[in-house]
Amino acid sequence: EPEVTQTPSHQVTQMGQEVILRCVPISNHLYFYWYRQILGQKVEFLVSFYNNEISEKSEIFDDQFSVERPDGSNFTLKIRSTKLEDSAMYFCASSTGTAINSPLHFGNGTRLTVT
Amino acid sequence: QKEVEQNSGPLSVPEGAIASLNCTYSDRGSQSFFWYRQYSGKSPELIMFIYSNGDKEDGRFTAQLNKASQYVSLLIRDSQPSDSATYLCAVGNTNAGKSTFGDGTTLTVKP
Repeated sequence: EPEVTQTPSHQVTQMGQEVILRCVPISNHLYFYWYRQILGQKVEFLVSFYNNEISEKSEIFDDQFSVERPDGSNFTLKIRSTKLEDSAMYFCASSTGTAINSPLHFGNGTRLTVT
Repeated sequence: QKEVEQNSGPLSVPEGAIASLNCTYSDRGSQSFFWYRQYSGKSPELIMFIYSNGDKEDGRFTAQLNKASQYVSLLIRDSQPSDSATYLCAVGNTNAGKSTFGDGTTLTVKP
């Protein structure tokens, strides 16, 4: 069964450094997302991406965050200057359609630790 | 008020029993409802989705939706220890793709 793949599985970085989290969504999916989950807390929406542009973003997704689909397969989340509170599990997800009619397929996540 | 609220856990049931997980949502315009299961340290995986009022069954799982009451539930029949996980209710209510998740209910099925 096709799956969403994320790399790396664990990223440790120092506060103030830039990180790029990478994802390869399922090939025939059209919608791509980033969610995050701080340890012990709920899954939080960050951003959705469709047709090479952001379709919706949350309050969390401020100017420190950006997303890109640099080629036909990869989908990246960049955090420009990491803060301690950015430490979380970051999940990439993809779907065939919008949240109105399509479930999310999640990758295994990247655990980001900011020290 | 939380956008998506789930019954506080943890919930513990004996093996073979029915586990009942509940979820309410605040946006009356919400159109799609999903149940995901998340094992500790893992990513959410879809169990069921439901769009119309009523019941939807898939094996041991039944999702129930009541839009008038803004309520969705998940019943797990013949619960197994392998069902022990956190169950996440998610609501899809925008065309842009955002799903809003509840805090989750942790279920433990005791052998």
